[in-house]
Amino acid sequence: GNSVTQMEGPVTLSEEAFLTINCTYTATGYPSLFWYVQYPGEGLQLLLKATKADDKGSNKGFEATYRKETTSFHLEKGSVQVSDSAVYFCALGRYNNNDMRFGAGTRLTVKP
Amino acid sequence: EPEVTQTPSHQVTQMGQEVILRCVPISNHLYFYWYRQILGQKVEFLVSFYNNEISEKSEIFDDQFSVERPDGSNFTLKIRSTKLEDSAMYFCASSEGRAGGVDTQYFGPGTRLTVL
Repeated sequence: GNSVTQMEGPVTLSEEAFLTINCTYTATGYPSLFWYVQYPGEGLQLLLKATKADDKGSNKGFEATYRKETTSFHLEKGSVQVSDSAVYFCALGRYNNNDMRFGAGTRLTVKP
Repeated sequence: EPEVTQTPSHQVTQMGQEVILRCVPISNHLYFYWYRQILGQKVEFLVSFYNNEISEKSEIFDDQFSVERPDGSNFTLKIRSTKLEDSAMYFCASSEGRAGGVDTQYFGPGTRLTVL
């Protein structure tokens, strides 16, 4: 079936460190891939997305590249800030299908 | 920037009681969704709604659940007789409803339901 597996947390980094949160997927057809972020006390916010293989989504210094050959969509940021502390969810959306499949979420804490 | 809103932010209820969770989707969106997240677990799809009817639902969305668009702005999730295991964060989402492709879904802040 269609599913997403992401790196378990929690992840704790110092400010300005490099971040990678791994995400791999299993899907039939041609899914679109998303990263959502949930800041403390808030809902899920779309961070970035990619709709086809080799697309790179980017926003707020975060990037993720849709790699069909490795079925991955790893989230990266070159220099994290304290304000990036949140839970990050990788998600998969299927063509003409409404139910998004989410990973378990990875909690990131950035310390000053 | 338009956003999805949900009320209440936290609902506490007794087992067996009915609850209604409310959502106001983004105004020009056509598809509406409910998801839930049990504490420490994945976000799970419950149901999608389009053109005043359910378009898809998951195995979780059994007869105790129902959804309604009572007017032009609200979208509600009703749980008829709550169980302890219904305790979760419930997220509403909406999307534009583009023909073909994958629609980007925009989520509300969630309602935390606690069943005692």
